[in-house]
Amino acid sequence: AQSVTQPDIHITVSEGASLELRCNYSYGATPYLFWYVQSPGQGLQLLLKYFSGDTLVQGIKGFEAEFKRSQSSFNLRKPSVHWSDAAEYFCAVGAPGAGSYQLTFGKGTKLSVIP
Amino acid sequence: DGGITQSPKYLFRKEGQNVTLSCEQNLNHDAMYWYRQDPGQGLRLIYYSQIVNDFQKGDIAEGYSVSREKKESFPLTVTSAQKNPTAFYLCASSIRARGNTGELFFGEGSRLTVL
Repeated sequence: AQSVTQPDIHITVSEGASLELRCNYSYGATPYLFWYVQSPGQGLQLLLKYFSGDTLVQGIKGFEAEFKRSQSSFNLRKPSVHWSDAAEYFCAVGAPGAGSYQLTFGKGTKLSVIP
Repeated sequence: DGGITQSPKYLFRKEGQNVTLSCEQNLNHDAMYWYRQDPGQGLRLIYYSQIVNDFQKGDIAEGYSVSREKKESFPLTVTSAQKNPTAFYLCASSIRARGNTGELFFGEGSRLTVL
């Protein structure tokens, strides 16, 4: 079974600073990888996803993520954070070809942005 | 606009009462899911359904029940057997459960509080 770890529970950055949120997964082959964002009291919105091909993936709101097979990582980055990026971010991993398809989510990283 | 509608957004229940959360989607998706979210715990899968009239237990199904009589509807009942039902509940859907990339589309969530 697959698993995912988000090592940072809470990160605080200043507005305009760069951001990197860490995600490590465990899976025997190349997984499907996702980053979702959740504002307080809301559902989850997909930021970006990786299935195959180019390991650098561009998403919405200026986010990108890089799949590194050797490190089993899929870290989320943004060059300049805006106050509206304050939210909780979830990394998720899925197993291609599974008999029944489910995503496994990390426990999330809460991002606070200082003006 | 296509999407997933959850209702009610907020619900209060007395101990010992059953309560049903509604989830409706007009995305024509085959698969639907219910997740429970608690602070610091990420998302945990309660039940999922790949097709009408069929559903499977997720990781934390005890104390919950579902039905899938129509493709667009997947209601969740939180029964009195659920020992700690206060949580945020998220409904999601995907195009197909088998062989797809597994991207989930989420509703806005329902917050259940047991008094």
